[in-house]
Amino acid sequence: EPEVTQTPSHQVTQMGQEVILRCVPISNHLYFYWYRQILGQKVEFLVSFYNNEISEKSEIFDDQFSVERPDGSNFTLKIRSTKLEDSAMYFCASSEDGSRGGYTFGSGTRLTVV
Amino acid sequence: SQQGEEDPQALSIQEGENATMNCSYKTSINNLQWYRQNSGRGLVHLILIRSNEREKHSGRLRVTLDTSKKSSSLLITASRAADTASYFCATDFNQAGTALIFGKGTTLSVSS
Repeated sequence: EPEVTQTPSHQVTQMGQEVILRCVPISNHLYFYWYRQILGQKVEFLVSFYNNEISEKSEIFDDQFSVERPDGSNFTLKIRSTKLEDSAMYFCASSEDGSRGGYTFGSGTRLTVV
Repeated sequence: SQQGEEDPQALSIQEGENATMNCSYKTSINNLQWYRQNSGRGLVHLILIRSNEREKHSGRLRVTLDTSKKSSSLLITASRAADTASYFCATDFNQAGTALIFGKGTTLSVSS
């Protein structure tokens, strides 16, 4: 069964550093998403991406964050100048039909900012 | 916000019993979806019910949707220890349906 692949599975970074989280969505999917989940809390929407541009973003997704699809397979989330409160699980998801269908999630990247 | 809210927050049952989780939301939706998350893992899509549907089944899962009450329920019948997980409902973010918004989840513990 097709999978969404995320790397790395765990990243530790110093406060103020930049991190790039990587995702390989399912190849025939057209919609891509980033969500985050602070330990034990709800799954929060960050951004959706369609047709090579951001289609929706939440208030969490401020200038500190950016997304890119640098080639035909990867989808990245960049966090500039990380803060302690950015520590969370970051999930990438993709969908063939937007929210008209189900999302396939990756296993997540656990980001720890120290 | 269209965010769904699950109830209860936590549920503990014995193997073989049925588990019922509820979800309420605030504005009109195109569809409502249920996901499962095992501890520390990604979310897995379970079932989608459209706004013009009232009930849907998938294996041991039964989902109902009441758009007049803006609520949904997920029933897991004959639960197993492997059903232990968090369960989230998700609603589409706006009428364009470009993103799902998740509730806080129900943590289900099934003991053998």
